[in-house]
Amino acid sequence: SQQGEEDPQALSIQEGENATMNCSYKTSINNLQWYRQNSGRGLVHLILIRSNEREKHSGRLRVTLDTSKKSSSLLITASRAADTASYFCATANFGNEKLTFGTGTRLTIIP
Amino acid sequence: EPEVTQTPSHQVTQMGQEVILRCVPISNHLYFYWYRQILGQKVEFLVSFYNNEISEKSEIFDDQFSVERPDGSNFTLKIRSTKLEDSAMYFCASISDIQEQYFGPGTRLTVT
Repeated sequence: SQQGEEDPQALSIQEGENATMNCSYKTSINNLQWYRQNSGRGLVHLILIRSNEREKHSGRLRVTLDTSKKSSSLLITASRAADTASYFCATANFGNEKLTFGTGTRLTIIP
Repeated sequence: EPEVTQTPSHQVTQMGQEVILRCVPISNHLYFYWYRQILGQKVEFLVSFYNNEISEKSEIFDDQFSVERPDGSNFTLKIRSTKLEDSAMYFCASISDIQEQYFGPGTRLTVT
């Protein structure tokens, strides 16, 4: 597997349900960031979690990080139709902070 | 809220032509990046730029690519002689003092 792989690749849920996406990575990281991308559009920064943090919240988003398992999860609570998008995790190295992106999870919220 | 801007939003060019993609990073950010995303694929790192020089570049960033910060605000990516496989969405990004990396809306480059 490659640095930053999300699962599932695609997820469809009913509006109002919670959506959980997972990300695994292979190397040591400085931080991990989650992004949203609507089809053909730019990358919207959602949340950053540092390697010494285990959990972080921002509005309806909850991110966890387990550095021993090299994995992270993104939970979106009370999903809305507007949450339909692709979600990517990206890991940042120490030093120049270049990001290595995962393959993404395509989330579809069914109204 | 400050944001990264990119122009043009869409560029169509013929194979072998030079293109310049432009970015205005967020003003107090110090590290700048270019990434690209070929349709349906992952976002890939191209190059990082700090203190007016390249700090790291990927294997993709060969001699056909160059970056420049010609003034205090613009950050450009030049592709000297475009190939069909350069067709992609190109994203510029800059990093805040708390390491959050913000992306521009992208330039869709189509090489025909």
